Formats: sequence, C-alpha cells, structure tokens
Amino acid sequence: VQLVESGGFEVQPGGSLRLSCVASGFTFDDYTMHWVRQAPGKGLEWISLLSWDGVTTYYADAVKGRFTISRDNSKKSLFLQMNSLTTEDTALYFCAKESGSYNAIDYWGQGTPVTVSS
Amino acid sequence: QSALTQPASVSGSPGQSITISCTGTSSDFVNYNIVSWYQQLPGKAPKILIYEVTKRPSGVSTRFSGSKSGNTASLTISGLQAEDEAEYYCCAYAGSSPMEFGGGTKLTVL
Repeated sequence: VQLVESGGFEVQPGGSLRLSCVASGFTFDDYTMHWVRQAPGKGLEWISLLSWDGVTTYYADAVKGRFTISRDNSKKSLFLQMNSLTTEDTALYFCAKESGSYNAIDYWGQGTPVTVSS
Repeated sequence: QSALTQPASVSGSPGQSITISCTGTSSDFVNYNIVSWYQQLPGKAPKILIYEVTKRPSGVSTRFSGSKSGNTASLTISGLQAEDEAEYYCCAYAGSSPMEFGGGTKLTVL
C-alpha cells in the first residue's frame, strides 16, 4: 500500500489549494479514505472522510463549509479542495486509508505541507 | 479541544511497563468499542497499533495491548524499549464526528 500526497504550498489567508493523493497497492475503489492534518508541533486532527463510492462524506466542524473531499476512482486519487484558508489551517496534511475489516485507519501517506501566511 | 483526553507525557525505564489513558466524554465512546491507537515516531507518519479496543493488526508486537473500562481506554506497552519513544494517539468515534483523535501522549524512555 502506498499513498502519495501532493499539492501542498504556501498560500495567503483567504486563498485556496487543492491537495491530491494517489494510491497504489490496493483496490482503491473498495475503501473509505480520510484526510488528517497535523499543525506544527501539535497533535493529529481528523478533518474529513469519503466513502468508497463517493457518496458519503463527513467533515470536522473546523473545516465544514470550506473544504471539500472528492475522489476519482478511475485514477485511484483522493482530493481535498481547501477554500477560505486561514493561518489555523497551516499543517501537514495526511491522506489515509480506512481498513475494510475494522473501523480504523490502517495506512497513511507521508503528508504534504500547507502553510497559510501573509 | 479534543473530546478525548490523554496525559501529555509518560515515561518509563527499559523493561518496565507503562500505560497511557484516553478518557472520552461522550456516551458513544462508552457504548461503542471503536477505539484505536497509533504510534508516531518523530518525523514519520502514524502507525496503527491497536484497533477495536484490544485487537492488534498483523505485525504489531505483542508488547502493545489495549483495554477499555467505562469512559477510559488504555494502551499498555510492556517490556519498554528505547525504540518505543514516540508520540501515541488514541482515536475513537466520539459522537460528534465519525473519528476524533486524542491530544497525544509523548512517551520518554529513560
């Protein structure tokens, strides 16, 4: 299993970014996928999930209405569209795969860094 | 502010056992056995250690074990080793969202 994130960048407050995650080593369209972030020197923060079929989404309150999770199963890719960014969104963003056998994340990418700064 | 509370730090000497607690405030935390634990080594992505309170994924050392009583879940590491020095996170269905992490506990091996 491999998850490779990209798209992290430095952006000004109020700006937008789109993160991508390309998956390999498993049948991507069988699994729920997540985004989790980690601010510098802080803990893990779950932010969103998307079901295998792209139908069911959940968001943490901190990003609801600003972030949109999506996927393209034909390209084995997961996305996170981030709008109206604030300095509070500065973090390393991890793409993660949920196990098909139990309710937990079983694999993580290495993360892509997002910095929101003026 | 996470709904799952962990101690900020714990420490132990090689060979000892330590326990990290994770206290939840929601009834869903108490009623559902959906608690997992992750180890994050410095500069690395998290790694799953425990799922569904007590179960270990294939390949995880038997030195790691989990339990839960009431509104508190626990991760116990026995036979502490230097390479166990890391940050540990609990994760659970906390009611308000399908997944929430505790604040993390830094384990120092003395």
